[in-house]
Amino acid sequence: ETGVTQSPTHLIKTRGQQVTLRCSSQSGHNTVSWYQQALGQGPQFIFQYYREEENGRGNFPPRFSGLQFPNYSSELNVNALELDDSALYLCASSLVGPPYEQYFGPGTRLTVT
Amino acid sequence: AQSVTQPDIHITVSEGASLELRCNYSYGATPYLFWYVQSPGQGLQLLLKYFSGDTLVQGIKGFEAEFKRSQSSFNLRKPSVHWSDAAEYFCAVGARGAGSYQLTFGKGTKLSVIP
Repeated sequence: ETGVTQSPTHLIKTRGQQVTLRCSSQSGHNTVSWYQQALGQGPQFIFQYYREEENGRGNFPPRFSGLQFPNYSSELNVNALELDDSALYLCASSLVGPPYEQYFGPGTRLTVT
Repeated sequence: AQSVTQPDIHITVSEGASLELRCNYSYGATPYLFWYVQSPGQGLQLLLKYFSGDTLVQGIKGFEAEFKRSQSSFNLRKPSVHWSDAAEYFCAVGARGAGSYQLTFGKGTKLSVIP
C-alpha cells in the first residue's frame, strides 16, 4: 500500500509569484484535503476535493485553488503569493464516507520572500 | 463551529514516566476525535481515533485515549514514555462543514523527553 506523497519537499518563492504543489493520494482513497500549517500552529483546513470537484473550503481566499485528477492525485495552486503564505502545506487523503480518518503526506515547506 | 483546545503548549517528562496530554473540544454533535503526532519537519501520523462505542481507545506506539463526553475531553495517555516519543502532538475533531468532512486541529503540545 502506497502512502500519501507530496512534491516538492521545499520551495522558495518571491512575493507576488504563483506556486503549484502536488499530492498523490494513498491507494484506494478518493478524497484529498489540503491544510496549511503555519509555524507553531496546528494545521488549518484549506479545501477538499472529491470526484474532481471542490466540495468544501475553509477560510482561505480564492487565490488558493486546486485540482483533482481522475487518479485522485491533486494540486494546490496559490496565486499572488504573500509573505504570510509561508507555511508547511499538508495533503491528506481519505475515503469520502465514514470513518473519515485522514492520512497525511510529509508536506511541502513553502517560503515566500 | 467546532474547536479544539490543547491547554499545554510544552510538556517535559522523564523517560519511563507516565504521560497525559490534555484535549478539550467544542462540537454540537457526537464528535469524531483524533490524535496525530508530528516529528520535526514531518507530516502527521495518526495515533488513534474515536468514533463511537468504547470510550477508551487504543492506538499505535502504546498510546491510549479516553473520551469523556461530560467533560468534552479526549486526553491522550501513555504509561511509560520512550525518548522516541519526543514530538508534537495534535488533537483534532472531525466535523462536516459545507459539503465536506474536515478536521479542526488544536495548536498542539510539544513533548520533550529527558533521558
